[in-house]
Amino acid sequence: GENVEQHPSTLSVQEGDSAVIKCTYSDSASNYFPWYKQELGKRPQLIIDIRSNVGEKKDQRIAVTLNKTAKHFSLHITETQPEDSAVYFCAASIPRDDKIIFGKGTRLHILP
Amino acid sequence: KAGVTQTPRYLIKTRGQQVTLSCSPISGHRSVSWYQQTPGQGLQFLFEYFSETQRNKGNFPGRFSGRQFSNSRSEMNVSTLELGDSALYLCASSYTSGIYNEQFFGPGTRLTVL
Repeated sequence: GENVEQHPSTLSVQEGDSAVIKCTYSDSASNYFPWYKQELGKRPQLIIDIRSNVGEKKDQRIAVTLNKTAKHFSLHITETQPEDSAVYFCAASIPRDDKIIFGKGTRLHILP
Repeated sequence: KAGVTQTPRYLIKTRGQQVTLSCSPISGHRSVSWYQQTPGQGLQFLFEYFSETQRNKGNFPGRFSGRQFSNSRSEMNVSTLELGDSALYLCASSYTSGIYNEQFFGPGTRLTVL
């Protein structure tokens, strides 16, 4: 069935270093991949998304890469800052059902 | 523009009871989706409503149901509550239906079943 696997479940990174979160999806028809950030006690918010017609998208310190052949996509955060501490969710579209499936989330800790 | 609101924010129920949660979308948004969030399972899709019609449904039992009113406000109902239904229930609204639309989440209703 439809599935989005997300790794790691927890990630600790020294402030200033880079963080990478990886996701794989099962539906080869998936063509839209959003990422949501949920800070502690707050609601999830969209931070970046990518469609299948591009391989990479950047927005300041965050970037997302997509490998359609391998059905992998990743979130890269450079020069991490304390405010990057949050749970990050990847998601993939299921076009035949017109819905989004989320991964289980990655809790990112930025260490001082 | 006011964000998505959910009521109540916290709820404690006992097994076997039923519960109704409410979600008011951003003004002008016509699509409302519901998610269950638990520590081990992340965000799991319950259903989506658009123009008072259920468009999509996730893999949850029939005890979970919902509806949408003409003003786009949505309610979710869970009957015969079980301990495993304890979770944060999030609703999200978007301007229209479809997977490419950004979803704006509410603060959630934290349901505890005793």
